[in-house]
Amino acid sequence: EADIYQTPRYLVIGTGKKITLECSQTMGHDKMYWYQQDPGMELHLIHYSYGVNSTEKGDLSSESTVSRIRTEHFPLTLESARPSHTSQYLCASSDRGFDTGELFFGEGSRLTVL
Amino acid sequence: GESVGLHLPTLSVQEGDNSIINCAYSNSASDYFIWYKQESGKGPQFIIDIRSNMDKRQGQRVTVLLNKTVKHLSLQIAATQPGDSAVYFCAENLNRETDKLIFGTGTRLQVFP
Repeated sequence: EADIYQTPRYLVIGTGKKITLECSQTMGHDKMYWYQQDPGMELHLIHYSYGVNSTEKGDLSSESTVSRIRTEHFPLTLESARPSHTSQYLCASSDRGFDTGELFFGEGSRLTVL
Repeated sequence: GESVGLHLPTLSVQEGDNSIINCAYSNSASDYFIWYKQESGKGPQFIIDIRSNMDKRQGQRVTVLLNKTVKHLSLQIAATQPGDSAVYFCAENLNRETDKLIFGTGTRLQVFP
């Protein structure tokens, strides 16, 4: 079992609300990622980080923002949620310098915006 | 743009049979491929990987085959079990340093008794 945790697992909120999805890992991994996944569909990278104070946009444009103040913590924030943000958000982490592409995924945060 | 995709969205097999899940990729520069398994309500889990200098790699009950000529990847599961029921994704790593994986559309594997 990977030591990466996401909260909340499920969130239903109204349009215009600010939300933060939490992601924490206890493995000391430098690299962390946020993927967005619609039901039955592929994962799309929306944010990633190489380490503390490093954040980059992913391949899929997203209105969300991220921060990396501590190695173990990589929260994702939506300032004003809209129904189009309804999706599952998956956080992942990996080691720096390893020669495999293994990502350790959390169990996801399923967001529904009404 | 470059993409990774799967031929079949759903695969139904009988328990004990072998399963083959296919994936086509279009980025000839990719040199590393991974299969993930995602059970309902969970995040993806690593199954097996393969580098482009190999054409076959075996794990426990799973085998990945890579055909670079036709840009095709497959996952074979031997003696499929009910616990194998999940969505399977192939992914390619375009850049080892950043580990930015490109995922294909998943294939749902359903195992019947």
